[in-house]
Amino acid sequence: QKEVEQNSGPLSVPEGAIASLNCTYSDRGSQSFFWYRQYSGKSPELIMFIYSNGDKEDGRFTAQLNKASQYVSLLIRDSQPSDSATYLCAPSTDSWGKLQFGAGTQVVVTP
Amino acid sequence: DADVTQTPRNRITKTGKRIMLECSQTKGHDRMYWYRQDPGLGLQLIYYSFDVKDINKGEISDGYSVSRQAQAKFSLSLESAIPNQTALYFCATSVLQAGGLFRRANVLTFGAGSRLTVL
Repeated sequence: QKEVEQNSGPLSVPEGAIASLNCTYSDRGSQSFFWYRQYSGKSPELIMFIYSNGDKEDGRFTAQLNKASQYVSLLIRDSQPSDSATYLCAPSTDSWGKLQFGAGTQVVVTP
Repeated sequence: DADVTQTPRNRITKTGKRIMLECSQTKGHDRMYWYRQDPGLGLQLIYYSFDVKDINKGEISDGYSVSRQAQAKFSLSLESAIPNQTALYFCATSVLQAGGLFRRANVLTFGAGSRLTVL
């Protein structure tokens, strides 16, 4: 069993709709949870991170965390073609901040 | 100029050759990392360093070595390259970023990547 599970996709989303990405993790010691976006052939770039149960909003992005269920999600509102990318979930323990990356979910926003 | 620079960006080599991938940063971060990315497997940590005198193995260090020549430079070496080391390699730096009251998160900044092909 993988330590960080993400649906590989592709997740096809109409332009303007909400994209919902899910991530489950196995390490109960995880304290911080990161979402990175990676365009094809490019390096990952940070979207946002969350560490408390509940929702955290940053522009069109909302991260949701449920530590009891070991589940973190990312919502992308008003999806744009420029949001087409692979989204990486990465839980982290706080001891030194080691990130465990999932394989990513590919999102395709169709005009 | 990029904050985290990797060289070379692309390299094709033969089995058994020694290869060095170099990483330099201008962000002033103490923490540096080398990751490997394979299709469908996500990013796997090879080595990490918290300062010049601190080097640590990651999940998949076998077949790799590193050198932290200075705070700004962290090199990855493949002493004798083999085909299953064909992958995209990323260098990253990090800093603890404030995430709220009493909380800080280890935020990674990645270089552009080095694509290595071993024939």
